[in-house]
Amino acid sequence: GAGVSQSPSNKVTEKGKDVELRCDPISGHTALYWYRQRLGQGLEFLIYFQGNSAPDKSGLPSDRFSAERTGESVSTLTIQRTQQEDSAVYLCASRSSGRNEQFFGPGTRLTVL
Amino acid sequence: AQSVTQLGSHVSVSEGALVLLRCNYSSSVPPYLFWYVQYPNQGLQLLLKYTTGATLVKGINGFEAEFKKSETSFHLTKPSAHMSDAAEYFCAVIPYAGGTSYGKLTFGQGTILTVHP
Repeated sequence: GAGVSQSPSNKVTEKGKDVELRCDPISGHTALYWYRQRLGQGLEFLIYFQGNSAPDKSGLPSDRFSAERTGESVSTLTIQRTQQEDSAVYLCASRSSGRNEQFFGPGTRLTVL
Repeated sequence: AQSVTQLGSHVSVSEGALVLLRCNYSSSVPPYLFWYVQYPNQGLQLLLKYTTGATLVKGINGFEAEFKKSETSFHLTKPSAHMSDAAEYFCAVIPYAGGTSYGKLTFGQGTILTVHP
């Protein structure tokens, strides 16, 4: 079946602009995660969705970052007023209920000039 | 807080040689343990996982890992490296009592594996 997809694959933006990143999880996966991978650093957790609610937003680095999920499917991560330090690969993962392994999308590479 | 340490940010081996990538975690209660591989410009692919049961787990592409509670380790091995194994490898954990962790992964810093002909 189809895996996790993310769009766009690459995004170049100017400092101060807003960006939206999209994640389509595997169909039927109720859990969805966003992670950030900055150059030379490991992966950092950003936010977790169970269904359409987000019980854990502890990894969002500032109030410029927000995310939503609709229809227990697509999720969007929005970064407002982007800064150069936001440049990273943003990875989305989904997980089936009752299972513990996460399946990752290919990521969106964000470059803030 | 849970932490994961991968010893060696870069490991280089010859084709056909043993691959050993080290991972240690900090936890008084054994967590769930994972190894993921990331090929250039791709997402992460699960290699193998340990949750409970047999401490030696086998994964895809000939990789295996052994959970050693006494050493708080989960090292990844492959008897004979292949050129196609060149990638970045991440060790990750989920705290065992996962109710409040929501299954989120804590990752090590990653190890880049280079395979020489």
